[in-house]
This record gives sequence, C-alpha cells and structure tokens, in this order.
Amino acid sequence: GIQVEQSPPDLILQEGANSTLRCNFSDSVNNLQWFHQNPWGQLINLFYIPSGTKQNGRLSATTVATERYSLLYISSSQTTDSGVYFCAVASGGSYIPTFGRGTSLIVHP
Amino acid sequence: GAGVSQSPRYKVAKRGQDVALRCDPISGHVSLFWYQQALGQGPEFLTYFQNEAQLDKSGLPSDRFFAERPEGSVSTLKIQRTQQEDSAVYLCASRRGTGANVLTFGAGSRLTVL
Repeated sequence: GIQVEQSPPDLILQEGANSTLRCNFSDSVNNLQWFHQNPWGQLINLFYIPSGTKQNGRLSATTVATERYSLLYISSSQTTDSGVYFCAVASGGSYIPTFGRGTSLIVHP
Repeated sequence: GAGVSQSPRYKVAKRGQDVALRCDPISGHVSLFWYQQALGQGPEFLTYFQNEAQLDKSGLPSDRFFAERPEGSVSTLKIQRTQQEDSAVYLCASRRGTGANVLTFGAGSRLTVL
C-alpha cells in the first residue's frame, strides 16, 4: 500500500511564529486531507486537497501530486493551534485513506 | 445527524470481556470507515463499508474483531474476548460518496482493557 511520511515529527513554536509541515507519499493520489487532532482527540478536517493550493485564514496547503508531496503552512501561530497534524492519503481504486504518523505541534504563549 | 456520533466515549473492560462500539454516521453518507489509534500513533485502517456491504476488512487485527452495518447506516464494531493490546481509541468516519471526497470523523471511543 501507499507509504505516507510526515515531517518534522515534533515542532515547538513561540506564539506568532510561522511553520511548514510536510507530507510525502509514495504513489499517485486521488484523495488527500489534512487533519488537526485537538487535545481531546477529535480529528478536524482542515483541507481536502488532492492537488493545487487552498487557503483558510491563517492556514494554507499546497499539494504537488506529480512530485508526491503536500505542505501545510501555519502563519502567526496561536496556542490553540497546538495538537497533532495528520495527512491522510488514498491512491488507486480503493479511496481508503492511509494516515501518516503526524506532526506534534506545541505553541507556547 | 449533523456529525458522526460514537458511543460510548469511554469504555473500560476486563480482559476477556466482549465490547461493542457504535457509530452513527452523517445521514445519507454511503461510505463508513473504522480506524484504530494507539497512543502516540496515527490512525490505522480497520474496515470499510459501502452502504451495508463490507468491502474491505483487511485491517482487522484478528478474528476477535467483527464489524457490521446491516441497514447501511449505523455500524457496530465488536471485539470479543478483549486483550490488553486492544486498548486504543476507535475512530469512525463517514464520507458522502464512494470516491474522492471529504472524510468526517467522530470523536472516537476510548477502550481500556484491564
């Protein structure tokens, strides 16, 4: 099956800083989502982005499917951005998403 | 409903007990998924339903795990003779169609086996 690697595994920021999270995958994709898992364990959809670029407030994402990676940008980080960020990727006919191991983000005030 | 609902939110079981976890997907969503998330790990796929048909159960870790969705809406994940290694958060997700679109997760059921 498809392999999904996320980097960095851990990230510590001061409030107001910017960051870039990366998701590499091993095959062509037809489905890619970025999620934020909050401290209570809820997975919140951030972006559905199998290709192209999207922006939502301080967050934006870009997927370059031909080069098999996606990036999540967080600008002017806030303490509420803390949590674990996952990308989930599907390829082929199954459309069953495979998750990476996540990036754990801590934002200090 | 407005979101994916899971119950119970927390379950403590003694080793050897059977447990049942329920998932109520978003109304009208065709696809339903179960994932298992161990502490500090990403969610791992267990099984996938399209309406009432279980199309993929390749992620179920043993024959003690069984899932059903008899009427194509509510799904139940059953674990028989629970073991300590079954302790995890069990996540349910639903998707409107069968192909490429947004997956929405429930809050999860946290199982602790003593």
